[in-house]
Amino acid sequence: DAKTTQPPSMDCAEGRAANLPCNHSTISGNEYVYWYRQIHSQGPQYIIHGLKNNETNEMASLIITEDRKSSTLILPHATLRDTAVYYCIVRLRDNYGQNFVFGPGTRLSVLP
Amino acid sequence: DTGVSQDPRHKITKRGQNVTFRCDPISEHNRLYWYRQTLGQGPEFLTYFQNEAQLEKSRLLSDRFSAERPKGSFSTLEIQRTEQGDSAMYLCASSPWGLGNEKLFFGSGTQLSVL
Repeated sequence: DAKTTQPPSMDCAEGRAANLPCNHSTISGNEYVYWYRQIHSQGPQYIIHGLKNNETNEMASLIITEDRKSSTLILPHATLRDTAVYYCIVRLRDNYGQNFVFGPGTRLSVLP
Repeated sequence: DTGVSQDPRHKITKRGQNVTFRCDPISEHNRLYWYRQTLGQGPEFLTYFQNEAQLEKSRLLSDRFSAERPKGSFSTLEIQRTEQGDSAMYLCASSPWGLGNEKLFFGSGTQLSVL
C-alpha cells in the first residue's frame, strides 16, 4: 500500500502557482519523498525528490515540513500542459528489493 | 531520443492467447522495472531486474506472467493464456542504481486489450 495521502483532484488557474499537498506521517528518517506526474497516455515522469531540505529544479519546488510528515509540490506558474496526475511517493527504506509504490495521486486540472 | 522504448504501443488479443511485450531501457541503466496500470489507478509494481537478475516479483505476477532480461539490456514480459482481467497498460521503467537517489524513467507503455 502507498504510504502517502493526496487529495484526489485539484484545479488551478493558468499562470498561478499550483500547490499540491501530500501527507506521509509514517515516513522514516532515511526515506525520500519523490514526485512524479503522468500526462494522459504517457508513462510517469520524474519531477523532483528530497530528504529533508527544500528542493528546487527547473520544473518545480518541493517543500518538506520540519517533521517530514508532509510535503508540498509547487509549480510556480502552471500552464495547460501541467494538467496531469501527480504522484507523491515515499521510497521504501532499503535499496534492495526496492520498488516505488504509486497511490492514485492527485489529478491537477489547469484551467484557462 | 534515447529514452525507454516499449513495443508494441497497443495490443489487442483474444482471451486465451499469449502475448509478449518488449522494453528497451536507457542504455547503461542497470535496473529495469515492469508496472501495470488500470484506468484511474496508479501504476502497480510487477517485477524488477538488476542487470539480468530478477530480484523481486509482486504477488500480482501470477504464474501466467514471465519476465526476462537475458543479457541485462532489453526485457520481455510474456502473458500466457490471457484473461480479460489482464487488460491494462503495461509500463516499463529503467534506472541507474544509486543509493537513495534512484529515479525511474518510464516508457510510454503497451496498452493491452483482451477481448
